[in-house]
Amino acid sequence: AQSVSQHNHHVILSEAASLELGCNYSYGGTVNLFWYVQYPGQHLQLLLKYFSGDPLVKGIKGFEAEFIKSKFSFNLRKPSVQWSDTAEYFCAVKTNQAGTALIFGKGTTLSVSS
Amino acid sequence: DGGITQSPKYLFRKEGQNVTLSCEQNLNHDAMYWYRQDPGQGLRLIYYSQIVNDFQKGDIAEGYSVSREKKESFPLTVTSAQKNPTAFYLCASSDRGPTYTQYFGPGTRLTVL
Repeated sequence: AQSVSQHNHHVILSEAASLELGCNYSYGGTVNLFWYVQYPGQHLQLLLKYFSGDPLVKGIKGFEAEFIKSKFSFNLRKPSVQWSDTAEYFCAVKTNQAGTALIFGKGTTLSVSS
Repeated sequence: DGGITQSPKYLFRKEGQNVTLSCEQNLNHDAMYWYRQDPGQGLRLIYYSQIVNDFQKGDIAEGYSVSREKKESFPLTVTSAQKNPTAFYLCASSDRGPTYTQYFGPGTRLTVL
């Protein structure tokens, strides 16, 4: 069965530190990849997505992610985090197996101290 | 103002009662989804529907039922057969085009007493 693994359950950083959240998926075919963010008390919203082309994708609020096909990975990065980045982050993958539904990882909680 | 609405935001029910969660979208999306979110579990797919009058089970469909009679609406019923119904329920919708993106509603927190 396809699955998505997020390696870090809880990450704690100080403001201005760099961020990298790991995401690996298990599926050998074509995938579309997503990172979603859930700020406290808010809707789940899309940070960025990869469909094809340049494996380095840029999203909102200075986030970027790199698709490395050989490693089945789609890690999220930000050079300098802010207190307002405190949130829960979810990696998700769409395969050809379940129509347009997404498979989500278990999420990573990011806490940024000022 | 386009988006997805879920009501109510908080819902309390007694054990053994069925309860229906509402989800409406005015984004003209063909596909709609229900996910369950539990702490440390991420989002797990309950049901999804790609067109009106059609839906498929997700990974954790047992104890749940859905209908899709209208494009805009995809209600979820949590039945008494669901062993652990207390959770946060998220509805989403998407188009089916090449730049497919799922948009999420604000969620309903269901507590079964």
